[in-house]
This record gives sequence, structure tokens and C-alpha cells, in this order.
Amino acid sequence: NAGVMQNPRHLVRRRGQEARLRCSPMKGHSHVYWYRQLPEEGLKFMVYLQKENIIDESGMPKERFSAEFPKEGPSILRIQQVVRGDSAAYFCASTGQRADTQYFGPGTRLTVL
Amino acid sequence: QQPVQSPQAVILREGEDAVINCSSSKALYSVHWYRQKHGEAPVFLMILLKGGEQKGHDKISASFNEKKQQSSLYLTASQLSYSGTYFCGTEIGSGAGSYQLTFGKGTKLSVIP
Repeated sequence: NAGVMQNPRHLVRRRGQEARLRCSPMKGHSHVYWYRQLPEEGLKFMVYLQKENIIDESGMPKERFSAEFPKEGPSILRIQQVVRGDSAAYFCASTGQRADTQYFGPGTRLTVL
Repeated sequence: QQPVQSPQAVILREGEDAVINCSSSKALYSVHWYRQKHGEAPVFLMILLKGGEQKGHDKISASFNEKKQQSSLYLTASQLSYSGTYFCGTEIGSGAGSYQLTFGKGTKLSVIP
């Protein structure tokens, strides 16, 4: 019974490149949440998606960041033209229903050189 | 809006007890507690919904005082495996389907032999 999967676990990009982070929710879950965590900080909400719908992207920067959760396949968080300030751990969580317990994946640690 | 956790860090010897507090300036619908070990995903511990309930499993329990907008996590007879950073995540307002968790900065707990 696989939990929430994220890949890659570690991603290194140079400034200006694109970063694609993938999240496969727990089996049977159709709600996905993305969070960003800076060192020694708590998790900050970015975006909440259901299959083919963005429900709330209020925590996501308006430029360079986008997220999708297609009908088939994982949810993807995309960061274009990365800058050093994007370096962080990005976690996704999933739930079966809105407002259920959120189960987290192992995270992707993005380093921008 | 970010809940305030206290203390920021605590060191315990095995078998000692600890209390971690989480306070909000906003009316809370629920409080979610997670533990995160270094480099790993946050692991869900428990949810408390407004109503002043207390929950627990094993030697970890929590209370939620909605009048004070505060939750406390109690760890008794601590074990080495309890080490990690504890985060509270809060849902503000009337909830009832709210999904956006706002996390505190965390409390780092170290249990030593």
C-alpha cells in the first residue's frame, strides 16, 4: 500500500533553468496539496488541486510557478527560470476527501546553483 | 496568521515528559499535529477539532482549547524515537471543509539517553 510518492528526491538546477517536481498521491486519493519548506521553517501552503482542477493557488507566486494535476498521471509543480531563492524542500500531501488528514510525501529538495 | 509554537527547542532525557504549545490569534476550527525527522516527510500524529476534545495514542496526547485558540501536545515517558521537529498546522474560522493548513515554525525535540 504505497504512500505518497515524490520524485525526484533531489534536484539541482542552475539559475534560469526549469524545475519539474512530481507527486503521485496515495492510492484512492484525488486531492493534492503542495507546500514549500525553507530550512528551520514550517511548511508554507502553495496550491491545492483536484484532478484537472486548481482549487486554490493563493500561496503560489504568480510568476514562474505553475501546478497541474491531470486526469492521468502525477501532479506536477513547475518552476520556470529558477532563482537561488527557490532552493527549498517541496512537499506534497494528499487526501481522499477535502479537509481529511493530509499525508505527506518524502519531498523534493531543490538546489539552485 | 501563522500559529506560534513554544518552546522552540527542548532537550529531554529518556523517560521525561514534555509539553509543546501551539497558539493562534485567529479562531480555530482544527489543529493538526505532525512530527518530522531530519530529511524526511512530516508524519501525521493527530487532528483535534473544535469542541475542546483531547486525543491520544500510546504516550502522546493532545488537547485543544478553542476559547484560548490553543492546542498542547503532551509527550510522556519520552523515547529516543520521539526526537524530531513537531509542527502544528491550523485551520482557521468555521472550517467545515476548509483545507488550508497554516503551520507553525516547529518545536525541535531531542531525546537523549
